[in-house]
Amino acid sequence: DAKTTQPTSMDCAEGRAANLPCNHSTISGNEYVYWYRQIHSQGPQYIIHGLKNNETNEMASLIITEDRKSSTLILPHATLRDTAVYYCIVRGYAGGTSYGKLTFGQGTILTVHP
Amino acid sequence: DTEVTQTPKHLVMGMTNKKSLKCEQHMGHRAMYWYKQKAKKPPELMFVYSYEKLSINESVPSRFSPECPNSSLLNLHLHALQPEDSALYLCASSHPAREGHYTFGSGTRLTVV
Repeated sequence: DAKTTQPTSMDCAEGRAANLPCNHSTISGNEYVYWYRQIHSQGPQYIIHGLKNNETNEMASLIITEDRKSSTLILPHATLRDTAVYYCIVRGYAGGTSYGKLTFGQGTILTVHP
Repeated sequence: DTEVTQTPKHLVMGMTNKKSLKCEQHMGHRAMYWYKQKAKKPPELMFVYSYEKLSINESVPSRFSPECPNSSLLNLHLHALQPEDSALYLCASSHPAREGHYTFGSGTRLTVV
């Protein structure tokens, strides 16, 4: 699976949009971009994933560049509870009958300030 | 039921003890995973079970022994651990149709003394 690069830390004001970037320049055509977050002392939580189209769900939006070499996770109205480590992960599709790995990098520590 | 349940939440064990961590899910997921997470580090994959069979072992020492008795239950048997094995142990599961979408438990905080 392709490697990802994320900033070590970011700050955001409460109520503003948080835009978390991720570089994955070696991504291949069948690899998906996944985002997870981990709030202190809890297990990681799935946020969203995409292949090449932009995606939106109740938690966030995912914007993938046309060349797929980078992506941005957007939390539209950040709250204090969004303070967490955010992981961008690139993972291939194993075919549904076998299971591969979800490998976590260092992630971005997002701190939302009042 | 949309949760992965891990027990116990906290465990303190001596280096000569034998203990087990338990993980349970009732979402019909057919893959289950064990991760280890040290403080201020990302989770590291240890084992993957696919349809109750061990499919990936990330060169984990034999003092960690996984077991998948059925599609809902995953155990991690611990024996002769070292203090450096102290960590948060996370269990996760995923559905065949959404294989990269993992549901994680809250973990077991293990301290080896």
